[in-house]
Amino acid sequence: DTGVSQDPRHKITKRGQNVTFRCDPISEHNRLYWYRQTLGQGPEFLTYFQNEAQLEKSRLLSDRFSAERPKGSFSTLEIQRTEQGDSAMYLCASLRGEETQYFGPGTRLLVL
Amino acid sequence: GESVGLHLPTLSVQEGDNSIINCAYSNSASDYFIWYKQESGKGPQFIIDIRSNMDKRQGQRVTVLLNKTVKHLSLQIAATQPGDSAVYFCAEITGAGSYQLTFGKGTKLSVIP
Repeated sequence: DTGVSQDPRHKITKRGQNVTFRCDPISEHNRLYWYRQTLGQGPEFLTYFQNEAQLEKSRLLSDRFSAERPKGSFSTLEIQRTEQGDSAMYLCASLRGEETQYFGPGTRLLVL
Repeated sequence: GESVGLHLPTLSVQEGDNSIINCAYSNSASDYFIWYKQESGKGPQFIIDIRSNMDKRQGQRVTVLLNKTVKHLSLQIAATQPGDSAVYFCAEITGAGSYQLTFGKGTKLSVIP
């Protein structure tokens, strides 16, 4: 257990539905990252926050995706109008300063 | 384009033997590398890291070697155990200031009892 938690661990949804995932980072970590991982591939960067500010977004983050970190603590990732191609593991990581990123267990999304 | 990749997608070793997992990187500006272990259904777990001003770093049963001349990184696991069975990723820090990680595809290590 790295201290980073994610909820839910698994989500099955129908195409077109909206889903929201939550990440609780290690409490003193000011940076929070979202990654997406598809089967057989390494995680791919989506976006990151420093405190409550979203500072960078990947081209992978289409306009159906939105992420927030309203109080600089937990973060949410919402996917609107889900598509089958959104099926993946969504990983959250946190770090303090320039230290190592610690990953949560991930949320596995399946879009039917 | 700039990427981090792995030479071997799968590796099978006998329990007790040493394992070596290799990784090639192409971004000569990269200065920080990390090895992660990922078990089925779990998030990546930090194993060991190395900065570009070092050639070697040792941890508990693991050693990372960095050869900047040929842009090669390796992870050595001593006395491999069944619990070491997992997918191993090397990752490099990209994105100045953001510290975002760029991962390779991974190597699946299977330990034969």
